[in-house]
Amino acid sequence: DAKTTQPNSMESNEEEPVHLPCNHSTISGTDYIHWYRQLPSQGPEYVIHGLTSNVNNRMASLAIAEDRKSSTLILHRATLRDAAVYYCILRDYGGSQGNLIFGKGTKLSVKP
Amino acid sequence: DAGVIQSPRHEVTEMGQEVTLRCKPISGHDYLFWYRQTMMRGLELLIYFNNNVPIDDSGMPEDRFSAKMPNASFSTLKIQPSEPRDSAVYFCASSLGRGSYNEQFFGPGTRLTVL
Repeated sequence: DAKTTQPNSMESNEEEPVHLPCNHSTISGTDYIHWYRQLPSQGPEYVIHGLTSNVNNRMASLAIAEDRKSSTLILHRATLRDAAVYYCILRDYGGSQGNLIFGKGTKLSVKP
Repeated sequence: DAGVIQSPRHEVTEMGQEVTLRCKPISGHDYLFWYRQTMMRGLELLIYFNNNVPIDDSGMPEDRFSAKMPNASFSTLKIQPSEPRDSAVYFCASSLGRGSYNEQFFGPGTRLTVL
């Protein structure tokens, strides 16, 4: 799986939007972009994924650059519960590897 | 569904003792994964199963570690003998299919401390 680069940490204020960046300059045409997050003392949980087009779900939005070398996870209104480590992961289409390969992620702090 | 269930949630043992961690995947899921998380190495895959058959165990650190999946609803990860460096949080996850679009569901983890 191709490598991703994320900032180590970010801060946000409650009820403000948060943009979490991820660089993946070596992404291949068949790589999906996945985001997981890990709340304190919990297992990781799926947030969103996409291939080329921007994606929205109830948790977040995923904006993918036109060249796909970067993406941004958008939390529209951060809450205290969104404080977590966010992982950006690339997974090859067809899944030659079933597992997820986690990097260090971005630790998001949310201030009240 | 109750989600992925792991037991025990916490385990404290002494070096040299046998440790068994347990996992019940989500009903109907055909893939089961064991991960380990430490401060130094982050989250890393140990082994995964498809339809109860081990597919990739290249992440298992040593022969002291073994994993089984006797049926679709139960898996164990055993460490024998345990060592202090095995202290970590162990997560079990399951998914329906292994494709790159398949969401993995993680359990709450077992925090293992080996004294």
